[in-house]
Amino acid sequence: DAGVIQSPRHEVTEMGQEVTLRCKPISGHNSLFWYRQTMMRGLELLIYFNNNVPIDDSGMPEDRFSAKMPNASFSTLKIQPSEPRDSAVYFCASSLHWTKGTEAFFGQGTRLTVV
Amino acid sequence: AQTVTQSQPEMSVQEAETVTLSCTYDTSESDYYLFWYKQPPSRQMILVIRQEAYKQQNATENRFSVNFQKAAKSFSLKISDSQLGDAAMYFCAYRSAPGAGSYQLTFGKGTKLSVIP
Repeated sequence: DAGVIQSPRHEVTEMGQEVTLRCKPISGHNSLFWYRQTMMRGLELLIYFNNNVPIDDSGMPEDRFSAKMPNASFSTLKIQPSEPRDSAVYFCASSLHWTKGTEAFFGQGTRLTVV
Repeated sequence: AQTVTQSQPEMSVQEAETVTLSCTYDTSESDYYLFWYKQPPSRQMILVIRQEAYKQQNATENRFSVNFQKAAKSFSLKISDSQLGDAAMYFCAYRSAPGAGSYQLTFGKGTKLSVIP
């Protein structure tokens, strides 16, 4: 299996621009997560999908952030408009059946820099 | 809310020696899972080992083992016969048992492990 695939690996954008991060979960996994990693706050859950449905988005910082999962093999995290404080590493993770206790497997992350 | 504390920001170990990374957590739940993840310079978070709280036996994966002390809320990771490829950030993480609470993995701040040749 190819694992969780994220794109792009690195993204540099100017403040105010729209940014879209992409994720392909492991085939057959029904749970998907977006996490953000910063030096100050560590790893934080942004949103959790189960069977393509957002279950918990309480970690999404504000309305500038939105996430979608149109099908079982693809998810996006969009920031519009982006701000310098959004600079971080964004991870996507998937799990076979998170609600039954299976492990979460992470992608390689997208390093976002907003200048 | 659960919290996870890793009190050692940095550790070092001589190649082929053994090192133990510490983790403590705070929870009022009786059933939960604990994990250790490794983050090498490539940035990917790699699952190292997992422990279910209801299991008394400590988990082991090849050179990696844990010392799970439920009453003390302690979950340390022992790496035996350390190799250069073990150099990485190590994160301890907690999740509630399915159906018992939050969906998220709660991570500690991490311990940076260096391996000296």
